[in-house]
Parts: sequence; structure tokens; C-alpha cells
Amino acid sequence: EAQVTQNPRYLITVTGKKLTVTCSQNMNHEYMSWYRQDPGLGLRQIYYSMNVEVTDKGDVPEGYKVSRKEKRNFPLILESPSPNQTSLYFCASSLMTGSDTQYFGPGTRLTVL
Amino acid sequence: KQEVTQIPAALSVPEGENLVLNCSFTDSAIYNLQWFRQDPGKGLTSLLLIQSSQREQTSGRLNASLDKSSGRSTLYIAASQPGDSATYLCAVSPMDSSYKLIFGSGTRLLVRP
Repeated sequence: EAQVTQNPRYLITVTGKKLTVTCSQNMNHEYMSWYRQDPGLGLRQIYYSMNVEVTDKGDVPEGYKVSRKEKRNFPLILESPSPNQTSLYFCASSLMTGSDTQYFGPGTRLTVL
Repeated sequence: KQEVTQIPAALSVPEGENLVLNCSFTDSAIYNLQWFRQDPGKGLTSLLLIQSSQREQTSGRLNASLDKSSGRSTLYIAASQPGDSATYLCAVSPMDSSYKLIFGSGTRLLVRP
């Protein structure tokens, strides 16, 4: 089944404790991206990747890192999480670019205390 | 800067009604516009993608139109059903950055049996 998977689905952590949210797709897509969704603000793009080893900032990259060492994986790294990073995070992938049909993962709900 | 607005924020209708969801964007220079559905606790599912050169797209009971010059799109749902209850989001891919997707805040739809 073609899908985007994220892990963990739910995470409660404390300020400053490094964490990684994994994202994997099995559709051989070139493009992957991360979004955060907050009430009243909609989905905002954090980072995106056009291909292996090619990543760029979205609209709200501060406090996040990403890497794209393999085509299928695009982990989101929070080196020192803060409470304002409490949010619902989505990973998405598409064939080539952001203008192609996007396939979303199920989301990761992160709470930073 | 491109901004996407969806009105109303919430809508409640009785089953069987035909309904229209609205999406407006401030910059007409877009590659395309996508409509998504988001169910509680789940990721987004792509419903329809309209290229900037198209006027509309149809899928089953859904019809999406695009008027790029006026910065508007509508999602028409025919003969609504309780299973249509979800949040509907639109997103545009800017012409100057096809790597990005800019989302509206969504319309939360409730179809009452």
C-alpha cells in the first residue's frame, strides 16, 4: 500500500530534550516536506526537500533541522525543543514538487512541557 | 506575500443539501490549487487538484472551480452525507515557488443526519 508513515504518533517531552520524528514514504517520491498545524494558523511549512541531500527552509524553520540521506526518509529533528513547538506535525511527499498532488502522513502530536 | 482565506470557518448543514465551500487567495500567480479533506486525528487526503489553466475538476459528488483572475476557488459538494463531515482545506502552489504549498485555515463541515 502506498503510504507515508510517521513515528511516533504521539509524544510528550520536556524542554531541551532532543527528539526526532521519523517520516518514510514508499512511493519513490522526490519531494518531501514537513508542516506544523496550529489552531487558527493552519498548516505552515517547516522544511522541504527536492531530492536526496537537497533541503531548504519553509516558512517556519526556526528550531528545526532535517536531513535527507535516503530518498524514502525525511526525519525532523528538534535539537532543543521548547513549549512553543507544541503542535501537530505532518510529513508529506509528492512525485516532484510542492505543486504535485501531496500525500500526507497521519500526523505526530507533540507536547513540549 | 500569498495569503489563503477560507470562509466560513465552520458550517453545519442537514443531510442531502448541496453546499459550497469558498477559498480565496491574494496573488493570482499560482501553478495550481488543491483541495484536501482532514478527518479528526488523521492526516490530509487530497481531493482535487486544479491546474492554473483549468476552470474546474470533478470527482464523484465533488466539483472544484477556479477563477484565477479573481483569486477564488469553490468546492461544491452535491447531496451531502454525514460521512462528508470533516475539515476541508485549500492550498495554492505559488508560481514563483512551486516547492511550496500555502494553506488556508480550513472550513469545518458538519453534515447532520
